Amino acid sequence: GAGVSQSPSNKVTEKGKDVELRCDPISGHTALYWYRQSLGQGLEFLIYFQGNSAPDKSGLPSDRFSAERTGGSVSTLTIQRTQQEDSAVYLCASSSFQTGGYTFGSGTRLTVV
Amino acid sequence: SQQGEEDPQALSIQEGENATMNCSYKTSINNLQWYRQNSGRGLVHLILIRSNEREKHSGRLRVTLDTSKKSSSLLITASRAADTASYFCATDAYNAGNMLTFGGGTRLMVKP
Repeated sequence: GAGVSQSPSNKVTEKGKDVELRCDPISGHTALYWYRQSLGQGLEFLIYFQGNSAPDKSGLPSDRFSAERTGGSVSTLTIQRTQQEDSAVYLCASSSFQTGGYTFGSGTRLTVV
Repeated sequence: SQQGEEDPQALSIQEGENATMNCSYKTSINNLQWYRQNSGRGLVHLILIRSNEREKHSGRLRVTLDTSKKSSSLLITASRAADTASYFCATDAYNAGNMLTFGGGTRLMVKP
């Protein structure tokens, strides 16, 4: 597609359940990023994939969070045993090294009740 | 911790006025970017300024970069109600690959 696609756009889950968030980046973009944004706050870096290199996981807040990028394209962010503090908008972005600017998806709004 | 810090946190102006937002950062950078966000969802890339550039224009946007002061400003001229949004600066730090670190943003409201 022409842009970065994220699904679902909204997710309500019960505390303790696992969730999977999906990101489909722009074709040909080698870099893919996950950020999260709490209400009224800035963006918090979670994880960064660049080509076939090992991902930079330094932003993941706990071992309940993990992410994969299959075939250098689609990425899935998994949150296990969700907690209420996990409620946020999860944003995915991709970029090509040449341009430097990110293209963001519309995000997934996660609500843990 | 955040690399970029925007100032002010919130700004309210009348349509037609100019809006100036500032960003300060801490470490050496390759480039600095400004993004816009409507309604708390996806961000839109506005402009990128490289560390060897001092000023850049795009339509009604003017960005300056002062690497000696580790600061940047975004000027929106002749503002419109549709410019109402949050604006974030983001830095591509010198040793961080292509990863951006975002500031907390400035919430701009343009009153018609």
